[in-house]
Amino acid sequence: KAGVTQTPRYLIKTRGQQVTLSCSPISGHRSVSWYQQTPGQGLQFLFEYFSETQRNKGNFPGRFSGRQFSNSRSEMNVSTLELGDSALYLCASSPRTSGGPSSYEQYFGPGTRLTVT
Amino acid sequence: KQEVTQIPAALSVPEGENLVLNCSFTDSAIYNLQWFRQDPGKGLTSLLLIQSSQREQTSGRLNASLDKSSGRSTLYIAASQPGDSATYLCAVLLEETSGSRLTFGEGTQLTVNP
Repeated sequence: KAGVTQTPRYLIKTRGQQVTLSCSPISGHRSVSWYQQTPGQGLQFLFEYFSETQRNKGNFPGRFSGRQFSNSRSEMNVSTLELGDSALYLCASSPRTSGGPSSYEQYFGPGTRLTVT
Repeated sequence: KQEVTQIPAALSVPEGENLVLNCSFTDSAIYNLQWFRQDPGKGLTSLLLIQSSQREQTSGRLNASLDKSSGRSTLYIAASQPGDSATYLCAVLLEETSGSRLTFGEGTQLTVNP
């Protein structure tokens, strides 16, 4: 079974631009989460989606948004890019089967390296 | 607010040595704890998952323990090899009223010297 895939793998953008990152979860997984990793802040939670609904959101400004499609693929968008948005953006999927409490393993993709100049 | 701490931040050992990485968390209301490995510039590879009701999990040369009441987990690596060199991250899964999230430690950067 193929793992979590993320596209593109690398991206260079200029301040003020916007960017869209894509994540395809493991087949059959309906839960997708996004994380930002920076040297200064470590790994921080951005969003969690389950069956096209955002279930949870981290402490990030409104410039960060996301969505999930009916095939469970997810996108995240960052508008008005700032230098501080340069990071590795990681997507994870899990096989949770409902929106209720669960304890499933999280499987991560290779990440998208975003550089803002 | 859940906080996860990993000690040490960095570790350098000779090949063949057994070693222990430590992880502590402040809120014991976790659903599970995962240990991950991250190679430079890459994504996270899941090593072991311990459910909140379990005490330990083993996979090959790796053994992870969980003491939820004291908020501690350890990752034991036996007979370390140069290929084990990587950053090791622990993360706890929380279920909040609005959903779930993983909270990560800062990681332990391990170097195994041949």
